[in-house]
Amino acid sequence: AQSVAQPEDQVNVAEGNPLTVKCTYSVSGNPYLFWYVQYPNRGLQFLLKYITGDNLVKGSYGFEAEFNKSQTSFHLKKPSALVTDSALYFCAVRDMNYGGSQGNLIFGKGTKLSVKP
Amino acid sequence: DAGITQSPRYKITETGRQVTLMCHQTWSHSYMFWYRQDLGHGLRLIYYSAAADITDKGEVPDGYVVSRSKTENFPLTLESATRSQTSVYFCATGRRGGNTIYFGEGSWLTVV
Repeated sequence: AQSVAQPEDQVNVAEGNPLTVKCTYSVSGNPYLFWYVQYPNRGLQFLLKYITGDNLVKGSYGFEAEFNKSQTSFHLKKPSALVTDSALYFCAVRDMNYGGSQGNLIFGKGTKLSVKP
Repeated sequence: DAGITQSPRYKITETGRQVTLMCHQTWSHSYMFWYRQDLGHGLRLIYYSAAADITDKGEVPDGYVVSRSKTENFPLTLESATRSQTSVYFCATGRRGGNTIYFGEGSWLTVV
């Protein structure tokens, strides 16, 4: 079965420092991987995705993620964190057991990112 | 262009009552989904629809009913609400042939 794991419940970073939010995956076949962000009392916003091609994927708000097949990881990164980046971040993998040809998303439990001034 | 609109955003209901959460999209995406978000469980798929009049169960469908008579609407009904259905419900859409799923703002439901 497809799954993703986010090993950290919370990540604390000082503003201006680089940030990394970790994600590892377990899939059969080639993975379709996604990152979403959720601000308090809001829906999930799509940040970026990896389907194929370059292992470094660039997304919204200056975020990027690095796909590493040998380590089965898809860590989210940003060179310089902002206080406004504080939110809940979800890693997800596409799963074809549900959702027809569109597929479904299997989500990690989420990582709370806190950026302090 | 609001994209995906969910209503109500916040609802408190009593055990045993019927509740319907509405979802409306303006993108004409073929696929629509309902997820629930619970602490410690992340998001789980309740039902999905590939097109009007085509619906199918997801991971946690028990206690829920859906319909999709029009492409743009995908209501979720709790026929007899239970406390375990207290959750945040997200409607989502996806374009046929696309890879990305887009989410609405959520409906916070409390069953007392």
